[in-house]
Amino acid sequence: DTAVSQTPKYLVTQMGNDKSIKCEQNLGHDTMYWYKQDSKKFLKIMFSYNNKELIINETVPNRFSPKSPDKAHLNLHINSLELGDSAVYFCASSLSSNTGELFFGEGSRLTVL
Amino acid sequence: GQSLEQPSEVTAVEGAIVQINCTYQTSGFYGLSWYQQHDGGAPTFLSYNALDGLEETGRFSSFLSRSDSYGYLLLQELQMKDSASYFCAVSRGGSYIPTFGRGTSLIVHP
Repeated sequence: DTAVSQTPKYLVTQMGNDKSIKCEQNLGHDTMYWYKQDSKKFLKIMFSYNNKELIINETVPNRFSPKSPDKAHLNLHINSLELGDSAVYFCASSLSSNTGELFFGEGSRLTVL
Repeated sequence: GQSLEQPSEVTAVEGAIVQINCTYQTSGFYGLSWYQQHDGGAPTFLSYNALDGLEETGRFSSFLSRSDSYGYLLLQELQMKDSASYFCAVSRGGSYIPTFGRGTSLIVHP
């Protein structure tokens, strides 16, 4: 009964390909997030989404797009993958957006060759 | 913009007490949270401070001084399993999205 689950856990692909990472939470939370963690462990917010509002970090290339079919899912689509996209991508959720408490998934390690 | 500063690495011995500091610069500050991450694992929430003062949860305590734009995480009775990266994260009013510092690697020696 994983609270926040992501698939796949590992993804190896070639430059230029398009890939998706799925995220589901069974906590009944209102807000979901995508973070990128680079090789130096820097955790950078990419997107935040609840049923009312999508907030995009303006530094994220538009090759990245979140898709939320319902409140429990926030998938990440990446087009035209580049070497610099290699990282661990974490999905997270929170009950409300103002408690500072995020529940993270186990991460999806993306390697672009 | 925003900035958070925390030491890159801290070492300590089992049973000791260690303090990890975090200073921040941000407009619209709302709260400061702390996360632990073991190698290969996911960040896990430890504590959150929105008001000045000390919050205690077992061996871990977190402190916030809004006037000084400063907080710290205090770990007592250190255990080997506490070796991990510790991140402070600032939430701003409005979006409340936690923005993370670069993390502090804590190494606990026997």
